[in-house]
Amino acid sequence: DVKVTQSSRYLVKRTGEKVFLECVQDMDHENMFWYRQDPGLGLRLIYFSYDVKMKEKGDIPEGYSVSREKKERFSLILESASTNQTSMYLCASNSETGYTSSYNSPLHFGNGTRLTVT
Amino acid sequence: GEDVEQSLFLSVREGDSSVINCTYTDSSSTYLYWYKQEPGAGLQLLTYIFSNMDMKQDQRLTVLLNKKDKHLSLRIADTQTGDSAIYFCAEAPGGWAGSYQLTFGKGTKLSVIP
Repeated sequence: DVKVTQSSRYLVKRTGEKVFLECVQDMDHENMFWYRQDPGLGLRLIYFSYDVKMKEKGDIPEGYSVSREKKERFSLILESASTNQTSMYLCASNSETGYTSSYNSPLHFGNGTRLTVT
Repeated sequence: GEDVEQSLFLSVREGDSSVINCTYTDSSSTYLYWYKQEPGAGLQLLTYIFSNMDMKQDQRLTVLLNKKDKHLSLRIADTQTGDSAIYFCAEAPGGWAGSYQLTFGKGTKLSVIP
């Protein structure tokens, strides 16, 4: 079974702090994603990565950055946390099937990190 | 842009069937997914269907796709209290970029009454 592990279930940080959210997957997946989930807004894509050191902005990248130094690990960084970044953060991964393939492997999610910024 | 719509709440009695509906706007949708989120947990893939299929059955789950109307439904037979969760519909186009263009609905909260 695919396992996507997020290092913290709950985090409480102060406004202005630098925050790191870590995610590790054990299935050698090429693609990794960070979403945030808010009531009434559903899931919104923050950033994704399709290879080591590669990253692309999602729908709401402002206030966030990411790092992917190793294939299995994808970090989300809040450079200066703000109260409007209080949310549930979900990491996901899937396999890349190649440019000519029409197959799209489903995303596998971690259990989430609930971040509160005070 | 693409949009996926779901009703926000559904309440059913234990033992009844649940039907969760979803509509989408992207005519190039190739993959349609159902995810389940239990309280305090991440999203768990329940099932998915390709756009060239009309129906997919997996034990208590039946997925129906009406591509003409862009309507997807998830039927859960003999609903149990353990089925109480939020169910997300999601769609993606095909091809290598499909993963990056996944669009989720806002989720339907299913409450099962004992």
